[in-house]
Amino acid sequence: EVQLVQSGAEVKKPGESLKISCKGSGYSFTSYWIGWVRQMPGKGLEWMGIIYPGDSETRYSPSFQGQVTISADKSISTAYLQWSSLKASDTAMYFCATSSSIAVRDWGQGTLVTVSS
Amino acid sequence: DIQMTQSPSSLSASVGDRVTITCQASQDINNFLSWYQQKPGKAPKLLIYDASNLETGVPSRFSGSGSGTDFTFTISSLQPEDVATYYCQQYDNLPLFGPGTKVDIK
Repeated sequence: EVQLVQSGAEVKKPGESLKISCKGSGYSFTSYWIGWVRQMPGKGLEWMGIIYPGDSETRYSPSFQGQVTISADKSISTAYLQWSSLKASDTAMYFCATSSSIAVRDWGQGTLVTVSS
Repeated sequence: DIQMTQSPSSLSASVGDRVTITCQASQDINNFLSWYQQKPGKAPKLLIYDASNLETGVPSRFSGSGSGTDFTFTISSLQPEDVATYYCQQYDNLPLFGPGTKVDIK
């Protein structure tokens, strides 16, 4: 059974850095792409980008290019989403998800990030 | 870049009603389209893949159709547990969701 377990909720101040994680198990971590989805309060789902852990090829949605960094450590089957300087507008729920195809069946439980002074 | 539109943005229907949501891509995406259901505070759930294939375990009242640029999602008989937001999603170079349709019970 595929499982994605995300790190816990975070409360940060504007300007701080943050790295959240998503650990995969029950499948070949390097064979599936893994991605991150943002959901701002009361808003829709937005794909931020994806990474192929096998070769670390990363693709970012235009809105998120340069705003975040997606990475993966295949030795521990974990993907990361990182900010160098948080803004209040980064307050959102973040989901990781993985798939070998277009249809995404497997999702993490979500990590709530709150950025407030 | 491909753009996705969805309509309506919200709807309210009675239990037992037939509900239809449309999704349009700005260019041909073949049948590379999925439909998801999301309830508040939860991760999305895959319902339909490749435009018309029902995911295992999903009730048969859910269906999808279409190809190319125009797609339709249908709930044949709306149930109280179907209250949720529904999203279409295509995959080109990157996956992309439509803006969503919020479904309520009248």
